[in-house]
Amino acid sequence: EVHLVESGGGLIQPGGSLRLSCAASGLSVSSQYMSWVRQAPGKGLEWVSVISSGGDRYYAASVKGRFAISRDNSKNTVDLQMNSLRGEDTAIYYCAASTVGPSGDYWGQGTLVTVSS
Amino acid sequence: EIVLTQSPEFQSVTPKEKVTITCRASQSIGSSLHWYQQRPDQSPKLLIKYASQSFSGVPSRFSGSGSGTHFTLTINGLEPEDAATYYCHQSYTYPLTFGGGTKVEIK
Repeated sequence: EVHLVESGGGLIQPGGSLRLSCAASGLSVSSQYMSWVRQAPGKGLEWVSVISSGGDRYYAASVKGRFAISRDNSKNTVDLQMNSLRGEDTAIYYCAASTVGPSGDYWGQGTLVTVSS
Repeated sequence: EIVLTQSPEFQSVTPKEKVTITCRASQSIGSSLHWYQQRPDQSPKLLIKYASQSFSGVPSRFSGSGSGTHFTLTINGLEPEDAATYYCHQSYTYPLTFGGGTKVEIK
């Protein structure tokens, strides 16, 4: 059975940094498309970033240059380093995994990031 | 950026009724269109991948169709547990994008 567990969320001041982590079990992150998707309070889903099985990285325009996705195959985890955080980055951040393309087959329960002074 | 437009935004439906949700893409995306269900206070769950492929464990009342720019999610015989917001999502090209969502309420 596949489980994805996000961690690292919390309250952070504007301009600050936070590192989210997604721990996977039941699959190997090295052979998956691993994505981060966020949802602002009361809003819809917004794609943030993906790392492909081949290691290619892609970002939404709203986070490019501020966020960085990475994976640790030995720990079977995927991280999202978030710098220069803004109020509009406030959201639940979900980790998702899929084998054939970034279709988001499996999702974690999410971790809440609140950017506020 | 590919824009996905869902309709309707909201639908109130009686149990056992058929529900149809459409998703239109601003340009052709082949079959790279996926559907998710998000119940209140839960994370999204994949229902249909690549336009018409049912994901493992999803009830057979959920089906998807379409290609190019016009896609449809159908729920044949709505159940009370289907009260949720439904999203379409394209993985044809980056940046990946989601539709705005369709909220389905049970009457």
